[in-house]
Amino acid sequence: QQQVKQSPQSLIVQKGGISIINCAYENTAFDYFPWYQQFPGKGPALLIAIRPDVSEKKEGRFTISFNKSAKQFSLHIMDSQPGDSATYFCAADTGTYKYIFGTGTRLKVLA
Amino acid sequence: DTEVTQTPKHLVMGMTNKKSLKCEQHMGHRAMYWYKQKAKKPPELMFVYSYEKLSINESVPSRFSPECPNSSLLNLHLHALQPEDSALYLCASSRPLEGEQFFGPGTRLTVL
Repeated sequence: QQQVKQSPQSLIVQKGGISIINCAYENTAFDYFPWYQQFPGKGPALLIAIRPDVSEKKEGRFTISFNKSAKQFSLHIMDSQPGDSATYFCAADTGTYKYIFGTGTRLKVLA
Repeated sequence: DTEVTQTPKHLVMGMTNKKSLKCEQHMGHRAMYWYKQKAKKPPELMFVYSYEKLSINESVPSRFSPECPNSSLLNLHLHALQPEDSALYLCASSRPLEGEQFFGPGTRLTVL
């Protein structure tokens, strides 16, 4: 019940395309779902986050879609750019200081 | 200031050395975290301090010793490490039990 399953493991998208990364969780007690972007050798940077009472949140080219009944959430990157090439982690907050991280998605955007 | 800083950026140490990693934040956050991250893996939680008290120790070996001298600083003391401890060590901070964790750039540790 403490797992967050993330897919795909890797993703290649053409410049200008839409990148979609999916995550699924089991524990309905999770109450906060952030997405982090991490470049090689750097720390994860908070990209966008959502709480279960909202079905969608958009910030610039980044959108989280949240399906509470299916216990799934996804990150959409519109108009993907080569500079978006990074590893993306979804996470779920257990409410006890602990995040459960997904396994990560390595995104490569081709110029 | 919305930044978590970590020093040093890189550290190479032998198995008999003693060294320390440092982390600092000035966002007024009262929860601070140490994570370990191996290549191509998500961060793994090691320790959590809340209001300068150790709240969580994820069964980390005693060769890692955390310290929180005040609400802005977090240290990780290292002693007698093993080569498998080589990793990126990340510090993070947040308001206690309020979701958003902000990560520092990490310290790349190599144990010879």
